[in-house]
Amino acid sequence: QSALTQPASVSGSPGQSITISCTGTSSDVGDYYYVSWYQQHPGKAPKLMIYEVSNRPSGVSNRFSGSKSGNTASLTISGLQAEDEADYYCSSYISSSTLVVFGGGTKLTVL
Amino acid sequence: EVQLVESGGGLVQPGGSLRLSCAASGFTFSSYWMHWVRQAPGKGLVWVSRINSDGSFTNYADSVKGRFTISRDNAKNTLYLEMKSLRAEDTALYFCAREDLGYSYGFWGQGTPVTVSS
Repeated sequence: QSALTQPASVSGSPGQSITISCTGTSSDVGDYYYVSWYQQHPGKAPKLMIYEVSNRPSGVSNRFSGSKSGNTASLTISGLQAEDEADYYCSSYISSSTLVVFGGGTKLTVL
Repeated sequence: EVQLVESGGGLVQPGGSLRLSCAASGFTFSSYWMHWVRQAPGKGLVWVSRINSDGSFTNYADSVKGRFTISRDNAKNTLYLEMKSLRAEDTALYFCAREDLGYSYGFWGQGTPVTVSS
């Protein structure tokens, strides 16, 4: 199964807002509210930032928000901070034997 | 505190086998579905396999179906991944992860590296 499509890189200055898109199909993102977002710093395990499209786990800053429209989900980070620089991955449930599909990842650079 | 600690990775020749373990603590292991996710060097995350809470139901990615077997021992709070007929493309860091709401992974281990090379 093909991965969800994310931009390879995005960048922003401290204090700005950025949005990372995650495009799937009607078999995954478009048909389910089971979209998650993960932050991964180099050499570390991924960290859950958003689940079920727009819900934040306890302890995750409210600067992180998620949304979905049609086959595309989005992660918005407001008030960019240096510590936000990391790779970000989206994932979705998919109605196939694959079960869960990830995006290719987006490298966020804080200028 | 929830902890997931993988072990068992290493260097193996093509066609060889390896068994990964994931020791869980800090939560009721037997109540959660568990997954394996891998990440090839410099690449993205790829889902590998899932097992339900009592071990009676499993799912696999097409790329590993028939070669990998996921299992668990709830008495030992441990998840396993038996890998056979390993290929170079199986080289990756293997993470175990706990399935939480909406097929999300709220907790991950630190990963165990598997290198398939002659």
